[in-house]
Amino acid sequence: QVQLVQSGAEVKKPGASVKVSCKASGYTFTDYWMHWVRQAPGQGLEWMGHFNPKSGDTYFVQKFQGRVTMTRDTSINTAYMELSSLSSDDTAIYYCASDTVRTTCGDYWGQGTLVTVSS
Amino acid sequence: QSALTQPASVSGSPGQSITISCTGTSSDISHFDYVSWYQHHPDKAPKLIIYEVTNRPSGVSNRFSGSKSGNTASLTISGLQAEDEADYYCSSYSYSNIWVFGGGTKLTVL
Repeated sequence: QVQLVQSGAEVKKPGASVKVSCKASGYTFTDYWMHWVRQAPGQGLEWMGHFNPKSGDTYFVQKFQGRVTMTRDTSINTAYMELSSLSSDDTAIYYCASDTVRTTCGDYWGQGTLVTVSS
Repeated sequence: QSALTQPASVSGSPGQSITISCTGTSSDISHFDYVSWYQHHPDKAPKLIIYEVTNRPSGVSNRFSGSKSGNTASLTISGLQAEDEADYYCSSYSYSNIWVFGGGTKLTVL
């Protein structure tokens, strides 16, 4: 069965960077786009971006321009999302989601990774 | 890219039907049939319940149905059950490989 397992919770200081991992199993990792979505406390879901694990092509919301990097290691079926220059506004649960339907923000989701930015 | 517009909350009694609307623009909902709906219970990952406007993934109850007219998509839940109480989000593809979510709707089962 398809599973996405994310890395554990992180606490970071303002200005630092965080790198969240998402290990995929149960399907061919390079066949489907991977999305990253976050949810700040008390807020709704926010689509950050997505990337193609086969080609490395990446698209993301303009607000993250220059701060977000989405990469992958196909040898271990793992996707990564790195966010730099963190501020308290980046405190959120970060989700990876694989789109095996090819027309959604993801039909299989990771369990989420809580990133807390605090001085 | 602006978020899609959803009502903040809806409510209904067990057995009733409710509909949640999701209003977009000519850049997203009205131009593409890639509207999805997600159910999100606290402390769990979001669950896809509708994709491509009307399709249900395997295992999703047929009490959930979707539709679209112009720039507005809708999710209808019939025969409300207590376990349907959750947050619901719509999403749509937009131009230039960008996706957008709605602000979310909190469903309360009275």
